[in-house]
Amino acid sequence: GAVVSQHPSWVICKSGTSVKIECRSLDFQATTMFWYRQFPKQSLMLMATSNEGSKATYEQGVEKDKFLINHASLTLSTLTVTSAHPEDSSFYICSARDSGAHNSPLHFGNGTRLTVT
Amino acid sequence: QKEVEQDPGPLSVPEGAIVSLNCTYSNSAFQYFMWYRQYSRKGPELLMYTYSSGNKEDGRFTAQVDKSSKYISLFIRDSQPSDSATYLCAMSTGTASKLTFGTGTRLQVTL
Repeated sequence: GAVVSQHPSWVICKSGTSVKIECRSLDFQATTMFWYRQFPKQSLMLMATSNEGSKATYEQGVEKDKFLINHASLTLSTLTVTSAHPEDSSFYICSARDSGAHNSPLHFGNGTRLTVT
Repeated sequence: QKEVEQDPGPLSVPEGAIVSLNCTYSNSAFQYFMWYRQYSRKGPELLMYTYSSGNKEDGRFTAQVDKSSKYISLFIRDSQPSDSATYLCAMSTGTASKLTFGTGTRLQVTL
């Protein structure tokens, strides 16, 4: 089945630093990947849609200069949390669907737990 | 009113019970329906994916879609303690469209 790999699985950083999270589709190509954020005991909140070779599309209320997204290849998207602050501490999850398959569902990575101290 | 409504639970059942999880939605444009299982501190795992009304079965899991009532269900037969997780329903208007999630139902299967 389709596998989405996310790295790192957890990271602790100091306030003011930047953190990069990688999302890879291991056995399929994905022209579009999605980045979600999840707070404890809450559902997933879509942050942005990552488009291969073009700019990401951000949801309302999500700061594009703070959450930088790069989708440089058909198998890799990165999310960089710039100048992180404690309120950015959360669970970040990426997802992707197989661009080459008809009606392919969305598959998720295992998430990255970010703690900003 | 939210586009997708899902009872957050928690729902506690004894091992071996049949579990029924449900979601209702208001947007008639939703055509694709999914159920994901999420264990604590993990990403959601796809369980079922349907795009037509009716039933779809996979092992102990059955997904049911009723587009006329805007109601979807997931049934788990012979529930196991390993089924204890949060179950999220999700739906979209198209294959490339973003997903709209329910809040998730926390299920606890006890011995």
